[in-house]
Amino acid sequence: GESVGLHLPTLSVQEGDNSIINCAYSNSASDYFIWYKQESGKGPQFIIDIRSNMDKRQGQRVTVLLNKTVKHLSLQIAATQPGDSAVYFCAENRSSNDYKLSFGAGTTVTVRA
Amino acid sequence: DGGITQSPKYLFRKEGQNVTLSCEQNLNHDAMYWYRQDPGQGLRLIYYSQIVNDFQKGDIAEGYSVSREKKESFPLTVTSAQKNPTAFYLCASRVGQGDSYEQYFGPGTRLTVT
Repeated sequence: GESVGLHLPTLSVQEGDNSIINCAYSNSASDYFIWYKQESGKGPQFIIDIRSNMDKRQGQRVTVLLNKTVKHLSLQIAATQPGDSAVYFCAENRSSNDYKLSFGAGTTVTVRA
Repeated sequence: DGGITQSPKYLFRKEGQNVTLSCEQNLNHDAMYWYRQDPGQGLRLIYYSQIVNDFQKGDIAEGYSVSREKKESFPLTVTSAQKNPTAFYLCASRVGQGDSYEQYFGPGTRLTVT
């Protein structure tokens, strides 16, 4: 089965609130993690990534947290906007010698006005 | 305007026919990938190519074939042997140098087989 998964398939957020999307992984050898955003009918877009030697990385309005102890990854979106409504995928690169990403099933985020 | 092009956006075929999906990139990336996405699911790897004239099977290669004769192009053929070909197909590319893992995705092709 898949080693990358998301805790919740859907998330409803009030506009202006912060969003937290969670992801669990099972392979302790994974050395790289990435979050993608996919809008309906389009290809995934890169949001942010993090390597296993880090526990936090910040971008514009987004923060990724990595907890290797419990094999947990999260994406935080600050001040969620209507344009943030999409499906969010986490993915992991399981081996430093293998440039293949394994994707979770995705969380659908809906922003309420 | 650099990026990945997939054509067509929508494709319809009759059962029993082979169909080829196009993927072109002008990013000068070495590696290219094909994924399949079904409703409510994540992306599953079909085939990938780290360099021209070389490719490897992914997790669900049965019923598919690819070629990589040019760096810019990585076409995917969905054969009649694929039991359930209706899906959203995504092509991606990666720089292929250093330790960059980020993959850049095309807009996808939605294939419907009836």
